[in-house]
Amino acid sequence: SQQGEEDPQALSIQEGENATMNCSYKTSINNLQWYRQNSGRGLVHLILIRSNEREKHSGRLRVTLDTSKKSSSLLITASRAADTASYFCATDATDYGQNFVFGPGTRLSVLP
Amino acid sequence: EAGVAQSPRYKIIEKRQSVAFWCNPISGHATLYWYQQILGQGPKLLIQFQNNGVVDDSQLPKDRFSAERLKGVDSTLKIQPAKLEDSAVYLCASSLAAGSYEQYFGPGTRLTVT
Repeated sequence: SQQGEEDPQALSIQEGENATMNCSYKTSINNLQWYRQNSGRGLVHLILIRSNEREKHSGRLRVTLDTSKKSSSLLITASRAADTASYFCATDATDYGQNFVFGPGTRLSVLP
Repeated sequence: EAGVAQSPRYKIIEKRQSVAFWCNPISGHATLYWYQQILGQGPKLLIQFQNNGVVDDSQLPKDRFSAERLKGVDSTLKIQPAKLEDSAVYLCASSLAAGSYEQYFGPGTRLTVT
């Protein structure tokens, strides 16, 4: 199984609602990053959280990291149709013998 | 600031043929990555360069895939011979350095092997 695994695999919500995606991983990490990928396009970096950080905010995004549970969550508040995309977590565990690993992603659909 | 450039954007080849992809990273970025993304999956790291040296190629199928980054700038990824299962999007990314830096991705090359 993969180092990073997102949950749920797919999520459908109405505009204005909040969306929460979770990521679990297996090894210790240096940092964890979240990326967004719109259909048929390249990935865009959203936020990076280091292993000694517990929470970070960026606009409508809030990321938490719990290293004891080896998990992270991405919260998108007040979602918009433009947030429709696939969201991936990626772990950097270079210091622990494993390089950059992406999870399989969560496909978010925001309905107008 | 110009982004990561990749070419071609699309390529269709028959199995057993060879193909090459090109990537031009953001100016000044020391680290360059090649990923393979199969439809419905997350990107899988194939190879990571730091300047013109290979940092990690543990998941590169070296019997058919090769990559180089001459002069520490542009990079090419080659597949020879291609198999049906190589059909995927090949993404190039760059970052200022390895480690805790965000990666900037190019638009990718969609490869179809028939």
